[in-house]
Formats: sequence, structure tokens, C-alpha cells
Amino acid sequence: RKEVEQDPGPFNVPEGATVAFNCTYSNSASQSFFWYRQDCRKEPKLLMSVYSSGNEDGRFTAQLNRASQYISLLIRDSKLSDSATYLCVVNAATAFWDNTGKLIFGQGTTLQVKP
Amino acid sequence: SQTIHQWPATLVQPVGSPLSLECTVEGTSNPNLYWYRQAAGRGLQLLFYSVGIGQISSEVPQNLSASRPQDRQFILSSKKLLLSDSGFYLCAWTQRARSSSPLHFGNGTRLTVT
Repeated sequence: RKEVEQDPGPFNVPEGATVAFNCTYSNSASQSFFWYRQDCRKEPKLLMSVYSSGNEDGRFTAQLNRASQYISLLIRDSKLSDSATYLCVVNAATAFWDNTGKLIFGQGTTLQVKP
Repeated sequence: SQTIHQWPATLVQPVGSPLSLECTVEGTSNPNLYWYRQAAGRGLQLLFYSVGIGQISSEVPQNLSASRPQDRQFILSSKKLLLSDSGFYLCAWTQRARSSSPLHFGNGTRLTVT
């Protein structure tokens, strides 16, 4: 089983649509979760952290379900500029004293927003 | 504010040639540093990480090596490149004191081995 699994897509949606991505992770000891965005041939950039209670940043909402070990990202009112690959990211720590900060990246879900 | 510099942006090297990629971080001290690689159409793979000067941990066996000669400098090297070393190499940093922090990436180096 992969450490972080995502549906690669692509998700093709019209402008204004709502789209949701899910991600599952295997390390039950993980404590930090993130969504990154990667544009074609560019470096990944942090989109948002994911908190246990769920969090929202404008049109983006992230949710965490520790019991089921999955993370979701909801994008409302999609814009053409949202077209990118979205990476689900989980820290690899196995103990509270692990200070390595290693992050495991999913393969990403590609979103294409059409006019 | 903190910045991370990575160079060169693009590199074309023949098989068997050496490699040296450099990364420096500014505006912070004692960072954790990382080298990731992304092969074409694939996810990011952690190659090396460092929690301090001279401290290097390797995640996957390969013909690459890493060094950290200074607190904010991280170097990725190879003595002889293979075709399979082609990919997008990304340097990243995070605050050591906050191991739950996100990573911040440099612009990356696109390496093509011919």
C-alpha cells in the first residue's frame, strides 16, 4: 500500500463548479497534513495546512478524518487559474520526538477547469 | 523573510559525467534541509535530508550523495550520472524546531541526462 494515495484524475470541470479531492494515508502516527499545489514544470507550493477540526481559506476547505485516515480538499466556484496538480502531503513522523520533518507526497490529482 | 535559492534551473549532462547542484537558504538558521526528485509524470521522492551541518540521511539507495558543509547550504552530487537520474530536483527547507511545519521549495533544477 502506498503511504499516501490520491486519485490521479484528471478532473475536468467547468468554471464555477465545486470539486472535491480525497486522499488516504497509511501512517496512523502522522500529525501534520497539508495540501500543496503544483503548476506544470514548477515547484510545489503550499496551498493550506489541514487541521483536525477542518479549516477554510476562501474557496478552499480542507477536512481531516483521523479514524479513517483520509484528507479531503473542496474547491468551490472553480476558476480557470485553479487548473493545476494538487498534492496531498503527510508527515512521516513515527514518534513525538521525531524532528526530521520529513513529508510524504501523494502523486497528485490533476484539475483542469474549462471555460 | 526566508528565501531559498537553487541553481542551476536547467542542466543537460551526458551519461557518466559528474553532477553538483547547490541550494542555499537565507533569513533563517538551523533549518532542516531536503532534496526531493520528481521523475516525469511521477510523484516527489525524498532523496536526502539533513537536520544539521554534516548530518545527512539517505532515503533511497542510488548513485547520488548529499553534503551540508554549512548551516544553510545543501549540495547534491554524483560522480557518474545515469540516464535514470533525469528528473526535476527540488531543494526544500523547514524550521527544525517545528518539525510539523510545511516544507518550502526552491525553484528546482530540471536535469536531463543524455
